[in-house]
Amino acid sequence: DAKTTQPPSMDCAEGRAANLPCNHSTISGNEYVYWYRQIHSQGPQYIIHGLKNNETNEMASLIITEDRKSSTLILPHATLRDTAVYYCIVKMVSADGLTFGKGTHLIIQP
Amino acid sequence: DTAVSQTPKYLVTQMGNDKSIKCEQNLGHDTMYWYKQDSKKFLKIMFSYNNKELIINETVPNRFSPKSPDKAHLNLHINSLELGDSAVYFCASSQEKSPMRGYEQYFGPGTRLTVT
Repeated sequence: DAKTTQPPSMDCAEGRAANLPCNHSTISGNEYVYWYRQIHSQGPQYIIHGLKNNETNEMASLIITEDRKSSTLILPHATLRDTAVYYCIVKMVSADGLTFGKGTHLIIQP
Repeated sequence: DTAVSQTPKYLVTQMGNDKSIKCEQNLGHDTMYWYKQDSKKFLKIMFSYNNKELIINETVPNRFSPKSPDKAHLNLHINSLELGDSAVYFCASSQEKSPMRGYEQYFGPGTRLTVT
């Protein structure tokens, strides 16, 4: 699985859009970009994933650059409950486990 | 209804004991996993299992063994517990939707194991 690089922490004001970047310059053509988050003391939660095209669901949007070397997770209207560690993971479609890095600790400020 | 559940939530035991953590998923998924999160908050895959194969992370000691009585359960057995086994253990499950759709994993709430 390709390696990812994320900033260790970010702040965002409540009600604003939170934009979380992820670099994955060694991504291969058959690897997907996944985003998960872990709220304190809870199990990780799936957010969204994509291959080439931008994706949107009820939780977030995922913007993948044309060269696929980086992506951005967007939480459109951040709330205090979005404070969590966000993990960007790149992997092929297979039934083996996820490789979690250190993630980005997103803190939503009131 | 809880999608992925684990019992117990907390487990305190002494070195050398043997213990089990239970995991159940009611999502109808065909693959289940165990992860370990240590004190530094690093999450690492330990096992993934479906009815076809068991994939073991090579760093996992053979004192750890997953056992699946049926498709909805994957229990984690730990023999001869050591201090370094203290961690939070998460169970997860997923279902292959199509070769191109990817796997979304759903995690349980975790079991905090403390070995004294």
